[in-house]
Amino acid sequence: DTGVSQNPRHKITKRGQNVTFRCDPISEHNRLYWYRQTLGQGPEFLTYFQNEAQLEKSRLLSDRFSAERPKGSFSTLEIQRTEQGDSAMYLCASSLEQGVNYGYTFGSGTRLTVV
Amino acid sequence: GENVGLHLPTLSVQEGDNSIINCAYSNSASDYFIWYKQESGKGPQFIIDIRSNMDKRQGQRVTVLLNKTVKHLSLQIAATQPGDSAVYFCAEKRDAGNKLTFGGGTRVLVKP
Repeated sequence: DTGVSQNPRHKITKRGQNVTFRCDPISEHNRLYWYRQTLGQGPEFLTYFQNEAQLEKSRLLSDRFSAERPKGSFSTLEIQRTEQGDSAMYLCASSLEQGVNYGYTFGSGTRLTVV
Repeated sequence: GENVGLHLPTLSVQEGDNSIINCAYSNSASDYFIWYKQESGKGPQFIIDIRSNMDKRQGQRVTVLLNKTVKHLSLQIAATQPGDSAVYFCAEKRDAGNKLTFGGGTRVLVKP
């Protein structure tokens, strides 16, 4: 297992288009998270899954955003009708549910640029 | 690549010296804290963590100190190396869901 994998690494899209990102977590991790990071800021929580259940969504996650984890393994994050304000790095992380070390590991992110 | 660290506080340190990065957290109910290192174009990389029932934890060349009285967290890097140049974030976990809340970040520049 090589860690958390995200695809694509970079995405440039025109305003109004839809985009979808994929995250493959560490295989034994049952929790998966999406964060957004803008330049000069720390990552901000968007949503998380425990197995296939989406258990929490941030108020940052507008109705144009939807995330799925259909089989409790990989996850997708879709943004519909993209806006310039959606330009950011989208990070995925995974962890164990509990334990001494949660193993909270981030992927390298998908850099979205909306033009 | 992505320029992580614009407009962040910057710590310049001479190679071989020790570095201390500070972080204030806001929620006294936070029970778990992590330090991450982030290089340009990459995701945050786990450095070290500490639970709220501990005051200090040591790793390889790194030590994290937790002062719950003043809600302060610090990361000490011994014998700083050029490869330590990056942006460092502290993060706190506030609830059972493992959601992390990140601090503002500090950029470390190591001078040869």
